[in-house]
Amino acid sequence: GENVEQHPSTLSVQEGDSAVIKCTYSDSASNYFPWYKQELGKGPQLIIDIRSNVGEKKDQRIAVTLNKTAKHFSLHITETQPEDSAVYFCAAARSGGGADGLTFGKGTHLIIQP
Amino acid sequence: GAGVSQSPSNKVTEKGKDVELRCDPISGHTALYWYRQSLGQGLEFLIYFQGNSAPDKSGLPSDRFSAERTGGSVSTLTIQRTQQEDSAVYLCASSLFLRETQYFGPGTRLLVL
Repeated sequence: GENVEQHPSTLSVQEGDSAVIKCTYSDSASNYFPWYKQELGKGPQLIIDIRSNVGEKKDQRIAVTLNKTAKHFSLHITETQPEDSAVYFCAAARSGGGADGLTFGKGTHLIIQP
Repeated sequence: GAGVSQSPSNKVTEKGKDVELRCDPISGHTALYWYRQSLGQGLEFLIYFQGNSAPDKSGLPSDRFSAERTGGSVSTLTIQRTQQEDSAVYLCASSLFLRETQYFGPGTRLLVL
């Protein structure tokens, strides 16, 4: 089955700086890669996703890049703000996460220092 | 519109008791998924429904776990004879169709004493 590795487990950055979280996956058939943000006591919230037919996707301060050859994808957050502090999860799936569900990384605790 | 809702938000039970967790998906979403989030295992996929059908139950941790969905909407996850290792947050997600973006509920925090 799919295995997703996520690094780092904790990331502390100064407010206004950029943050990068990296994930690798094992199943070359995976073609859907979402990123979720989870705040304390809440469920995961989708922030951006990318499918394998594109290499990069951007939404305001958030961008995701995908390298299918190397089987890794990354989340980039620019101009970080205090409200970006949360746990971020990457995930991978075949066919958009249907029959096999989503396979998640272990999460990255992002801390924005004021 | 309303997002995915789950009840109860918290549940404390004694070892050996049965518990039932409920998920109300986003209206009109045909696919529904259950996940478990625990400190040791991260986010773990359990089962999915397409309509009222769950074609693959192999992700359920043991035969004490069962799930059903009726009317293509509400789903319940039942854990019989709960054990301490069942303590976790149980998350439900739904998507408009299978293979579409999944939206998560707030979860049910289960503590087995």
